[in-house]
Amino acid sequence: DADVTQTPRNRITKTGKRIMLECSQTKGHDRMYWYRQDPGLGLRLIYYSFDVKDINKGEISDGYSVSRQAQAKFSLSLESAIPNQTALYFCATSDVTGGPGSYNEQFFGPGTRLTVL
Amino acid sequence: TQLLEQSPQFLSIQEGENLTVYCNSSSVFSSLQWYRQEPGEGPVLLVTVVTGGEVKKLKRLTFQFGDARKDSSLHITAAQPGDTGLYLCAGDNQGGKLIFGQGTELSVKP
Repeated sequence: DADVTQTPRNRITKTGKRIMLECSQTKGHDRMYWYRQDPGLGLRLIYYSFDVKDINKGEISDGYSVSRQAQAKFSLSLESAIPNQTALYFCATSDVTGGPGSYNEQFFGPGTRLTVL
Repeated sequence: TQLLEQSPQFLSIQEGENLTVYCNSSSVFSSLQWYRQEPGEGPVLLVTVVTGGEVKKLKRLTFQFGDARKDSSLHITAAQPGDTGLYLCAGDNQGGKLIFGQGTELSVKP
């Protein structure tokens, strides 16, 4: 079974609709991240969470919101989808203890391809 | 704003050729990671380099971290079609976030 799962894998929706993308992990990691990927732009950070009570905005948070329901679950919402939010969305986790040999190595889900018409 | 400039953006080569991908920044990173992504999948971590000047090898892939910890390179020897994919570098700024380069799309033709 995959350690980081995302649902749905593909979604087509219309402008103005509310969309929720879900991420679940079985790795036991505290840190979770949401990225979007567009061709030629790499991965850009939308939101991140260091634990259940901690939510932080990334570089492109406008138009998005998140909810950390449990250590294992982190959801991304588009309150009113618009066409330029068409992209690949990835969830990732990491386990940074802060001790020696602790690096922010991230484990990614398979992605959600979102199309907004 | 910290940026990582990755080059080239696209690379199409024949099987057996060598190639190098570069990742450059004006910022210092505590560590730098390289990921590989195949179509329909998420990025997968290949390696983390931590010390300035560090060189790590993974079969035919050689990763180097610059002495000043601002740049890195990935060299592939005798590329094979199975190396085809998107290669991403990512710097750790110790703020809990990774800064990603734009990616290098590699195509290795038989």
